[in-house]
Amino acid sequence: EADIYQTPRYLVIGTGKKITLECSQTMGHDKMYWYQQDPGMELHLIHYSYGVNSTEKGDLSSESTVSRIRTEHFPLTLESARPSHTSQYLCASRQGSNEQYFGPGTRLTVT
Amino acid sequence: KQEVTQIPAALSVPEGENLVLNCSFTDSAIYNLQWFRQDPGKGLTSLLLIQSSQREQTSGRLNASLDKSSGRSTLYIAASQPGDSATYLCAVSEMDTGRRALTFGSGTRLQVQP
Repeated sequence: EADIYQTPRYLVIGTGKKITLECSQTMGHDKMYWYQQDPGMELHLIHYSYGVNSTEKGDLSSESTVSRIRTEHFPLTLESARPSHTSQYLCASRQGSNEQYFGPGTRLTVT
Repeated sequence: KQEVTQIPAALSVPEGENLVLNCSFTDSAIYNLQWFRQDPGKGLTSLLLIQSSQREQTSGRLNASLDKSSGRSTLYIAASQPGDSATYLCAVSEMDTGRRALTFGSGTRLQVQP
């Protein structure tokens, strides 16, 4: 069983607000990822990290930013939320090239 | 650019049936392949991981095969149960970069009728 946590699980927020989605893993994994999934659609990579102080943008363009100051923590921030950001955000981690584990996701709705 | 396709998109079967879910990918240069289960509104649960050098993996009633050269994988579910109802996702891990991110198919939505 993977130990990867995301908070909040659900968030409804107004346009223009700044939000941070939290992701933490207790497995000491080096690689961490953020994926975005619209309802009924595929997951797409928006950010990843090789390790502390290493972050890169993924394949799907996103206005969000990430940071990796500690191995276990990989938060995602939206400076000014818009309705187009409404989606499910899934955090994942893996050690090397092993199995990738996912958190429960954050369902974001921007009104 | 890697593309992953899953067929069928949806499947409804009576309880007890054996079933096969199909996954195909366009670039055979993969590091490994994972099958996941996703329940509505939830995250992903890893079911099976097959390394590129392997042909199959088994876990309980699940068996996944991989034919890397032809770009195909199948997930076999034996004696299906209503609790198996979920969306099943196939994902391949890229080989060429060190990031080992996953490229996902759009999933097969399975409904097992009691």
